[in-house]
Amino acid sequence: ETGVTQTPRHLVMGMTNKKSLKCEQHLGHNAMYWYKQSAKKPLELMFVYSLEERVENNSVPSRFSPECPNSSHLFLHLHTLQPEDSALYLCASRRDLNTEAFFGQGTRLTVV
Amino acid sequence: QKEVEQNSGPLSVPEGAIASLNCTYSDRGSQSFFWYRQYSGKSPELIMSIYSNGDKEDGRFTAQLNKASQYVSLLIRDSQPSDSATYLCAAPGTRTGFQKLVFGTGTRLLVSP
Repeated sequence: ETGVTQTPRHLVMGMTNKKSLKCEQHLGHNAMYWYKQSAKKPLELMFVYSLEERVENNSVPSRFSPECPNSSHLFLHLHTLQPEDSALYLCASRRDLNTEAFFGQGTRLTVV
Repeated sequence: QKEVEQNSGPLSVPEGAIASLNCTYSDRGSQSFFWYRQYSGKSPELIMSIYSNGDKEDGRFTAQLNKASQYVSLLIRDSQPSDSATYLCAAPGTRTGFQKLVFGTGTRLLVSP
């Protein structure tokens, strides 16, 4: 069982829907990440939350809204998405700057 | 210049051969480097971490780091068809955020029986 759990695993939503992706880590890590991976494209960092700061990719549209209520939980709120937002959304966590990241199983999102 | 660069491949090797995967990085301040394996439709899985110059071996995998040349590689000995996947190189992006972890585009490896 992975130390990083994402739900749901699959999500189909219409362009007018609002949904949320959830990530939970049981590793005692201090930073959590959202990555987007579109078909045949590299991992794209969307947001980072750590004890010290929140970092975001300025190219991420405002229809994606992160929330990090504590160091173990991370959400990605979705609203009025576009079909091109269909992708694999990955959550990851790290202990600190120089350690490896561990990924959740991902959420396969399809926007119709 | 991309922070982490990899050849996208595919790299094709016969079963039993050595597969050599390469990665270069731009930030001289990076102190740690990671190799991940990703099967199609799945999330990345950590294979190796390397922090010091030289070689680090773990089973059939050997990671090599040369900080002077800003180069890190992954060797897979006795390649198996099950090793066919995309291999991602990652390094911290110290110049662009305290906790940023930057990934290369990945190299697709195909091991033929």
